[in-house]
Amino acid sequence: DVKVTQSSRYLVKRTGEKVFLECVQDMDHENMFWYRQDPGLGLRLIYFSYDVKMKEKGDIPEGYSVSREKKERFSLILESASTNQTSMYLCASSPRGPATNEKLFFGSGTQLSVL
Amino acid sequence: GEDVEQSLFLSVREGDSSVINCTYTDSSSTYLYWYKQEPGAGLQLLTYIFSNMDMKQDQRLTVLLNKKDKHLSLRIADTQTGDSAIYFCGSRGFQKLVFGTGTRLLVSP
Repeated sequence: DVKVTQSSRYLVKRTGEKVFLECVQDMDHENMFWYRQDPGLGLRLIYFSYDVKMKEKGDIPEGYSVSREKKERFSLILESASTNQTSMYLCASSPRGPATNEKLFFGSGTQLSVL
Repeated sequence: GEDVEQSLFLSVREGDSSVINCTYTDSSSTYLYWYKQEPGAGLQLLTYIFSNMDMKQDQRLTVLLNKKDKHLSLRIADTQTGDSAIYFCGSRGFQKLVFGTGTRLLVSP
């Protein structure tokens, strides 16, 4: 079974801190994604990556950056955390299958609270 | 841009059928997905349908697609308390998967 592991289940940070959220997948997937989940808003795509050292902005990239130095690891960085970034963050990966078929495998999520 | 809409809540009794509805805007969507999120967990793929299909059945799950109206539904037969979760509809457009807001299904005994 594919395993997507997020380093922390719960995280509490202060406003202005630099925050790193780590995600590792063990199935050699090319594609990796970061979403945030908020009540009533569903999942919104922050950044995604289709290859090592490659990144693309999603729908809400402001205030975030990402790093993909190795195929299995995709990091989300909050350069200066703000209270409106309090959210559940979900990492996902998928294999590079046919161009229009993309099944995502999700981690369990990191609940980030910014005080 | 692409948009996917779902109602937020659905409450049913154990043993009844549940129907969760979704509408999407991207007419170029090639695959449509249903994901399930149990409490404290990430999303898990339940089923998917290719856009040239009208229906797909998988045990207790039936997916219906009306491409003309851009309407997708998920029917769960004989709903059990273990089916209580949030269900997300997803539309696969160019480059990425767009999710709806999720429908929280509550199954009461």
